[in-house]
Amino acid sequence: GAVVSQHPSWVICKSGTSVKIECRSLDFQATTMFWYRQFPKQSLMLMATSNEGSKATYEQGVEKDKFLINHASLTLSTLTVTSAHPEDSSFYICSARVATEAFFGQGTRLTVV
Amino acid sequence: RKEVEQDPGPFNVPEGATVAFNCTYSNSASQSFFWYRQDCRKEPKLLMSVYSSGNEDGRFTAQLNRASQYISLLIRDSKLSDSATYLCVANTGGFKTIFGAGTRLFVKA
Repeated sequence: GAVVSQHPSWVICKSGTSVKIECRSLDFQATTMFWYRQFPKQSLMLMATSNEGSKATYEQGVEKDKFLINHASLTLSTLTVTSAHPEDSSFYICSARVATEAFFGQGTRLTVV
Repeated sequence: RKEVEQDPGPFNVPEGATVAFNCTYSNSASQSFFWYRQDCRKEPKLLMSVYSSGNEDGRFTAQLNRASQYISLLIRDSKLSDSATYLCVANTGGFKTIFGAGTRLFVKA
C-alpha cells in the first residue's frame, strides 16, 4: 500500500512555543491530505483538509490561526501548532487517500508542559 | 448527532467467541465504507471494505445496509491478537473521511 511518513513521532515542548509536524507521501502524490487529532480513548477528529497550492479547509471549532497548515508540494503537508498550551497535548495524525482507502502517518504525540 | 456512530464498548470476550460491532452513519450521500483497526498508540490500519453484498475475509465479515444506513462487523473465533479498537469509517462527499468513535475489544484467554 501507499506510504505516508509523519515526523516527529513524539515531541515535548514548553507552553507558548510552536511545534511543526510534517506529513509526507513517499510513493505517491497527494493533492489532499487530512489532519486528525485524537485525545485518549476518543475518536479521530478531523481538524482540517489540506489542499496542495491552496488554503486548508478547517472543521468547525478548529482555530485556523492556531493550527497553521501548509501544503506547498504534492508530497508534503505541515501542521504547525502555534503558541501551544497543555490542552493541545494530543495525538496528531495525518492521512492521504489513494482512491477510497486512507493511509495514515505514524502519528505525532505532542505533550505541552 | 455524530456523522458516524458506533457501539461504545468495550467488549470483553473469551477466546473463540463471536462478536459483532454495529455502526450507523447519518449522511446518506456517504459513498464508501470501511472498518479500520487501531492498536494502542498506533495509527489506524485498514481492516476491510464494506459492501452491500457483504465482504468476508477469513474470520471477519462486514456488511452494509444502505437503506438503514447501518454497517456491521462480525468477528468469529476471536483471538487474543484481535484485541484493539475498531473504527467504522465513512467516506462522504467532498472527499472527507469520517471516523466513528471506535469500539474497544478485549479478547481474554
